Amino acid sequence: DGGITQSPKYLFRKEGQNVTLSCEQNLNHDAMYWYRQDPGQGLRLIYYSQIVNDFQKGDIAEGYSVSREKKESFPLTVTSAQKNPTAFYLCASSSRRTGMYEQYFGPGTRLTVT
Amino acid sequence: AQSVTQLDSQVPVFEEAPVELRCNYSSSVSVYLFWYVQYPNQGLQLLLKYLSGSTLVKGINGFEAEFNKSQTSFHLRKPSVHISDTAEYFCAVSENSGNTPLVFGKGTRLSVIA
Repeated sequence: DGGITQSPKYLFRKEGQNVTLSCEQNLNHDAMYWYRQDPGQGLRLIYYSQIVNDFQKGDIAEGYSVSREKKESFPLTVTSAQKNPTAFYLCASSSRRTGMYEQYFGPGTRLTVT
Repeated sequence: AQSVTQLDSQVPVFEEAPVELRCNYSSSVSVYLFWYVQYPNQGLQLLLKYLSGSTLVKGINGFEAEFNKSQTSFHLRKPSVHISDTAEYFCAVSENSGNTPLVFGKGTRLSVIA
């Protein structure tokens, strides 16, 4: 079955440590996105990538980094510079070629930093 | 830049009653509009979308929405809700060029009461 996988489902880290969240898709989508979700805040865009080896900052990129070395993969690193990293992180992908335009979401990773 | 306002953060409704979740957007360009549903600790699932054509859009689980360009609204409706409809609902907008990030509203928590 085609879809987006995020691992792990739950992640715990100590303050000051970098942590990388995985996102893989087998939908052959060109574009991939990372969103952060906090209660009552909706989803806020962290980074997105429309093509391999290229990515753009979203509204809240500070303290995060990404790479897009493969079409299928778009890992997100939460660095120690992110002041409030505890949140629910959602990865998504989309393909203009299908003419559908909607984004498909993974199941999310809940990160807790103490 | 686009923005989305979901006018109600919480909507309680009795089972089998109708419901309307309100969404207004602002944009200087033509847009695509989406409604997503999120169950606890899960990713987002597409309910329906408006790309062009008929302004009344039907989606999954008996939901429908109407695009009103003059009012810049895209309200979601269901004539009779079930307990299983209890979830968070997000309205989102994107530029109509495809593969661009979605801008989300802050969400509406629908609680269906038995």
